Amino acid sequence: DAGITQSPRHKVTETGTPVTLRCHQTENHRYMYWYRQDPGHGLRLIHYSYGVKDTDKGEVSDGYSVSRSKTEDFLLTLESATSSQTSVYFCAVSRARGAGELFFGEGSRLTVL
Amino acid sequence: QKEVEQDPGPLSVPEGAIVSLNCTYSNSAFQYFMWYRQYSRKGPELLMYTYSSGNKEDGRFTAQVDKSSKYISLFIRDSQPSDSATYLCAMSEGNSGAGSYQLTFGKGTKLSVIP
Repeated sequence: DAGITQSPRHKVTETGTPVTLRCHQTENHRYMYWYRQDPGHGLRLIHYSYGVKDTDKGEVSDGYSVSRSKTEDFLLTLESATSSQTSVYFCAVSRARGAGELFFGEGSRLTVL
Repeated sequence: QKEVEQDPGPLSVPEGAIVSLNCTYSNSAFQYFMWYRQYSRKGPELLMYTYSSGNKEDGRFTAQVDKSSKYISLFIRDSQPSDSATYLCAMSEGNSGAGSYQLTFGKGTKLSVIP
């Protein structure tokens, strides 16, 4: 158990509203990631962080922003949610970069109407 | 051609069967190969982790990597109903190169083991 908590776990919102998903970890992992999982696409990286205030874009970053002001928290923001952002969002953490041993949270299921 | 190809299934087998799950890939720079297991409405969890080519065994699970053929496999012996899940392959270039932070996942194969 990597001590990852995602909130909220479920959210329904309207198109055009802002949404923030939170990932909180208790194990002091340096690297944190946000993925989305969609049928037919699998897991795709949105943004990642390699330290406090150090973030970069992943494969599908358009329409998303992130912030990491503390080691333990990584926030994903949808500034103006669209129906195409309906998805299950997973936070993940790792101790080392690149080698692939990720620990995932339980997921946040977002529906944009 | 997608970077990682994985048959989505679904795959249904009787309890006790040997299961073979496979992925092919096109990026020859991949060095680290993983299998994740994901139960319904849960996050993926790392099941097997292999560096470069070869076999790795852990209990009923065996992971094989053939870099010359760009092909990886996961075998499950004596499959159990508790093995029913979606299995995701994943690959990484490792600690160098522009892609070093990113895993590339297959789309997952849904497995059902019938008692």
